[in-house]
Amino acid sequence: GQNIDQPTEMTATEGAIVQINCTYQTSGFNGLFWYQQHAGEAPTFLSYNVLDGLEEKGRFSSFLSRSKGYSYLLLKELQMKDSASYLCAVPQGGKLIFGQGTELSVKP
Amino acid sequence: AAGVIQSPRHLIKEKRETATLKCYPIPRHDTVYWYQQGPGQDPQFLISFYEKMQSDKGSIPDRFSAQQFSDYHSELNMSSLELGDSALYFCASSLASGRGRSYNEQFFGPGTRLTVL
Repeated sequence: GQNIDQPTEMTATEGAIVQINCTYQTSGFNGLFWYQQHAGEAPTFLSYNVLDGLEEKGRFSSFLSRSKGYSYLLLKELQMKDSASYLCAVPQGGKLIFGQGTELSVKP
Repeated sequence: AAGVIQSPRHLIKEKRETATLKCYPIPRHDTVYWYQQGPGQDPQFLISFYEKMQSDKGSIPDRFSAQQFSDYHSELNMSSLELGDSALYFCASSLASGRGRSYNEQFFGPGTRLTVL
């Protein structure tokens, strides 16, 4: 089975940097996704890591360590619009198994 | 670019009624997934279809059924609705991922908000 753990909520200040962690235990590993979800809206894709290391995409970066079962999403130069839930997810046979999501609040 | 389309966007039903949710995947995507997301919960996988055949099944109640049609659109049929069925229902589509290949991103539709009174 899959077990995915991430903090329930985080608060950060506009313009700052925040790191959202995700640990997972999976039977087999096929990569890890990060999605952003604003309240009442659809999850939108942020990143997919299948190899160890850091992948940078604009203000967002995602890191993976397969040996540690650990990933993080790094958000730089935070903006108010970044207030959302951030979900890490692992694929299992094609479907996605989501963590419970981290609710990020960006304060002025 | 075309996105996943879901209809209706909002639906209000009474207990024991039935509901049908529709999903139109991104053109050329061959796999459709249905997820249920309760208030404050993460999306839970219900069922998926690949090339019109059921490919995986999750925590979908027996009262629910789904199918994918020849034009690749999918419908989720829900009967004997219960209060606990009130949730956001997302459809997602992707190109199928083969063994040994990295997984393809799932694109989510805007969701159908079902309220059961």
